[in-house]
Amino acid sequence: DGGITQSPKYLFRKEGQNVTLSCEQNLNHDAMYWYRQDPGQGLRLIYYSQIVNDFQKGDIAEGYSVSREKKESFPLTVTSAQKNPTAFYLCASSIINRPFGNTIYFGEGSWLTVV
Amino acid sequence: KQEVTQIPAALSVPEGENLVLNCSFTDSAIYNLQWFRQDPGKGLTSLLLIQSSQREQTSGRLNASLDKSSGRSTLYIAASQPGDSATYLCAASWGDSSYKLIFGSGTRLLVRP
Repeated sequence: DGGITQSPKYLFRKEGQNVTLSCEQNLNHDAMYWYRQDPGQGLRLIYYSQIVNDFQKGDIAEGYSVSREKKESFPLTVTSAQKNPTAFYLCASSIINRPFGNTIYFGEGSWLTVV
Repeated sequence: KQEVTQIPAALSVPEGENLVLNCSFTDSAIYNLQWFRQDPGKGLTSLLLIQSSQREQTSGRLNASLDKSSGRSTLYIAASQPGDSATYLCAASWGDSSYKLIFGSGTRLLVRP
């Protein structure tokens, strides 16, 4: 089945640790995104990528890093510089097709908790 | 600043009722607006996408409208069912950065049997 796979579903991070969240899609979408969701709030854009080997910062990129070495994969690293990383992280992808708007597809999310 | 607001934060209705969820945005030069459903602890599922040139979109019991001049969108759910219970989020994008969705904080809907 086509879709977006995020792993792990639950992750615990110790103080000072970097952790990486995986995101893989088999929809052949060019664009991929990482969002953060805090309880009772909407989503905020961390990073996005419209093409392999290129990515741009979103609204809350500080303390995060990404790579886009393959079209299918867009991993997110939460670094120790991110002081409040406990949140629900969502990966998404879309076709870049401006005249029609960009229907966006989401993964099931990853819960990150600092212990 | 481009912002999206959803009020109320939570809504409880009896089964069978028709209901309207509200979404407002600050900049009328919108590119498109999307409505999503989110079940607890899950990702988002796109329900309807309205392009700036459209006034409404329909899918089954759902109808979404867009009024750019007033900065409002509504999601109408007909004959609500307990299975409709979820959080509904709207998100808008603007032409200068159409890739970037700005999300509202959502309305948590409970449909009581």
